[in-house]
Amino acid sequence: QVQLVESGGGVVQPGGSLRLSCAASGFTLSSSAMHWVRQAPGKGPQWVAFIGYDGRNEYYADSVRGRFTISRDNTQNTLYLQMNALRGDDTALYYCAKDFSSDWFEYMDVWGKGATVIVSS
Amino acid sequence: DFVMTQTPLSLTVTPGEPASISCRSSQSLLHSNGEHYLDWYLQKPGQPPQVLIYLTSNRASGVPDRFSGSGSGTDFTLKISRVEAEDVGVYYCKQSLHVPLTFGGGTKVEIK
Repeated sequence: QVQLVESGGGVVQPGGSLRLSCAASGFTLSSSAMHWVRQAPGKGPQWVAFIGYDGRNEYYADSVRGRFTISRDNTQNTLYLQMNALRGDDTALYYCAKDFSSDWFEYMDVWGKGATVIVSS
Repeated sequence: DFVMTQTPLSLTVTPGEPASISCRSSQSLLHSNGEHYLDWYLQKPGQPPQVLIYLTSNRASGVPDRFSGSGSGTDFTLKISRVEAEDVGVYYCKQSLHVPLTFGGGTKVEIK
């Protein structure tokens, strides 16, 4: 079945780096735009980043632009989020989500279960 | 940024009764293609959000027909015609017309 599985979360010190991965199965990743969305404890979802089907279009939330990089390897059916210069307010459950569209924002029709990132000294 | 404001913050509903949630955007969500880029998601406890309604009024695959969406411009509504126990959770609207994509603050629905 259609599935997204995130990995790579953990505890990291402020200023540190982490790379999240999202393995896709049950559908062709190369045909889908993808997102990262995070949710801090007790808060609502916050969109983080978007990448088009071929990796040419990328968009970021202001709070992560310049620190986070979204990328994809369609040959490996995997989405990534490289997170650098991490701060305490980056602590959250990070979801990868598939967009219904291939290259723009429509709606997120498949979500993973999330990977936990804790930024703490 | 497009600010999404949901009301009410919480709702307690008797099974079988209707429920309605409002979402207001700080700017129009009308795209040049005539669609309004407003979605509704339900996050059940311990689960990721799941899409219910996309482009204002289209039910996602597998979503029961007791859920319906409407609205235009800046004002949108999600209606549940007859609430069931499985509908508990937090409902979020989300706009995808403009970057950054933004979610509403959420409406928690509980069963009486």
